[in-house]
Amino acid sequence: EVQLVESGGGLVKPGGSLRLSCVASGFTFSTYTMTWVRQAPGKGLEWLSSISNSSSYISYADSLKGRFTISRDNAKNSLYLQMNNLRAEDAAVFYCARVSYDSNGFFSSFDFWGQGTLVTVSS
Amino acid sequence: DIQMTQSPSSLSASVGDRVTITCRASQSISTYLNWYQQRPGKAPKLLIYAASTLQSGVPSRFSGSGSGTDFTLTINSLQPEDFATYYCQQSFRAPALTFGGGTKVEV
Repeated sequence: EVQLVESGGGLVKPGGSLRLSCVASGFTFSTYTMTWVRQAPGKGLEWLSSISNSSSYISYADSLKGRFTISRDNAKNSLYLQMNNLRAEDAAVFYCARVSYDSNGFFSSFDFWGQGTLVTVSS
Repeated sequence: DIQMTQSPSSLSASVGDRVTITCRASQSISTYLNWYQQRPGKAPKLLIYAASTLQSGVPSRFSGSGSGTDFTLTINSLQPEDFATYYCQQSFRAPALTFGGGTKVEV
């Protein structure tokens, strides 16, 4: 059974930093592209960042303006999101998800999601 | 970026109803369109990918159609567990797989 378990969320002051983790199990983590998505309270889903299986290809949403860094450790079946200079508008539930590919090798969908970890930014 | 617009933003329905949700892309995305269901307090769940392919384990009362810029999610015979928020997502312009704003299906 595919499982993704996020951790690392919590309360942080504006300008502070936080590192989120996502531990995967039930599939060969090192062969999948992974992604982070967030959802502000009462709002919709926002794609943040993706990282290829070997970390060769990394992409970010323009809205992050270089404050977030995605990484992974395939030996630990883990995905990370380092978040710096946090703002009130970054408060959200952060989800990690697995990226699936279609038969042509193109991005298809986010087929499995973790339960999310809540980040609150407040003084 | 490709903008995804869903309509309506919310709708009221009853158990047994047929429900239709629309998603429009700001440019043609072929059939690179996914649908997700999110129940309150839960993570999103993939329902349909490539516009019309049901994800494994998803009940057959869910169906998707469309291509180009206009897409539809249909739920036949709405069940109590289907009251949730539904999101479309384009996968044409990877890796920025942008989402629609969501449609809340409520009683």
